[in-house]
Amino acid sequence: KQEVTQIPAALSVPEGENLVLNCSFTDSAIYNLQWFRQDPGKGLTSLLLIQSSQREQTSGRLNASLDKSSGRSTLYIAASQPGDSATYLCAVHSGAGSYQLTFGKGTKLSVIP
Amino acid sequence: GAGVSQTPSNKVTEKGKYVELRCDPISGHTALYWYRQSLGQGPEFLIYFQGTGAADDSGLPNDRFFAVRPEGSVSTLKIQRTERGDSAVYLCASSPSGRAYDEQFFGPGTRLTVL
Repeated sequence: KQEVTQIPAALSVPEGENLVLNCSFTDSAIYNLQWFRQDPGKGLTSLLLIQSSQREQTSGRLNASLDKSSGRSTLYIAASQPGDSATYLCAVHSGAGSYQLTFGKGTKLSVIP
Repeated sequence: GAGVSQTPSNKVTEKGKYVELRCDPISGHTALYWYRQSLGQGPEFLIYFQGTGAADDSGLPNDRFFAVRPEGSVSTLKIQRTERGDSAVYLCASSPSGRAYDEQFFGPGTRLTVL
């Protein structure tokens, strides 16, 4: 059974810092990995989708990398802003006929002005 | 275009009552998913539809939960004899075709509170 772990559970940084969020998964046979952002009381906003054949994806100040063989992904946020404060969730789409996303518990990020 | 929409945004009910939660996927998306998110946890898969049929319902916790998608568009999640443990945010997602490499797009969720 696929399990996804996110470290740290919470992170507080001053505005302007670069930061890295970590995600690990137990079964490397995945189709893709998605990073989401969730604001309090809201749904999920997709940030980046990395297919299993890709090593990284970039969108603006966000860069996500994928090392499928070691079961790891990182989300790099450059020049953090207070508006980046949210919970960031990592999810993997496993293979073998499964269509579901398996999520981690998320990292709660606070960017202090 | 419009994203995934869910109604109601909030639902408060009493233990033992029946509830229906509605999901409107992105127009043209054939795949639809339901997830449940408890406080402090990541979303957990409930059921996946490809068109009108439930292709994978392995995440439904018990037979009090049922979902339909009669015309291959709107879906309704139905919960009978609600229990306090059913309180959670119910999220719906859709994807263009349900293929393995598709991105899933999520709605805002319905927060269900069972008193």
